[in-house]
Amino acid sequence: NAGVMQNPRHLVRRRGQEARLRCSPMKGHSHVYWYRQLPEEGLKFMVYLQKENIIDESGMPKERFSAEFPKEGPSILRIQQVVRGDSAAYFCASSSLRGSGLATDTQYFGPGTRLTVL
Amino acid sequence: DAKTTQPTSMDCAEGRAANLPCNHSTISGNEYVYWYRQIHSQGPQYIIHGLKNNETNEMASLIITEDRKSSTLILPHATLRDTAVYYCIVRVLFRGTASKLTFGTGTRLQVTL
Repeated sequence: NAGVMQNPRHLVRRRGQEARLRCSPMKGHSHVYWYRQLPEEGLKFMVYLQKENIIDESGMPKERFSAEFPKEGPSILRIQQVVRGDSAAYFCASSSLRGSGLATDTQYFGPGTRLTVL
Repeated sequence: DAKTTQPTSMDCAEGRAANLPCNHSTISGNEYVYWYRQIHSQGPQYIIHGLKNNETNEMASLIITEDRKSSTLILPHATLRDTAVYYCIVRVLFRGTASKLTFGTGTRLQVTL
């Protein structure tokens, strides 16, 4: 059973370009979360999505950042007009709410995408 | 989610048990205690979670005090590969929905020969 997959693992962009980060959740998972880890800092939540819906985007920067999780295909985190401060590791996690009982959704993380902005 | 307090760093000899404490004195009745670790710059790895009973799996044991204000993650026989930053996270879970993880600074565990 494959885990959470992210690609590319490393991405280099020049200032002003666009960055697209992809996340394929674990099989059977329909919830995706994106986190960002700046150099020498902790992980910070960005956005939580279910299929075709954004549930919580309280951690997303107001401009240039967007996320989607379409009905088919991976979740995409898109950063427009990248700046040097966007250089970071971006981690995706997925989970599955089981049954009708209390949610015990353990989030499983991917290996991350390391974005470098020149 | 309740705030957690962990020691900044700890050392442990290989083969010995590593006991990592976490304080969460403001935890609410519907909040779970989760533990993750991050080895070097890899993606965080889930270890274990619990509500009020002690839990054990193939990786570790989780001991939660009766008042739930603190917990201890126990790695019974630490190896060099357990060197990592360990995060204690408290989060609320609602029926039918889910929530983000709020990472603190964690405990940097160094396992030595």
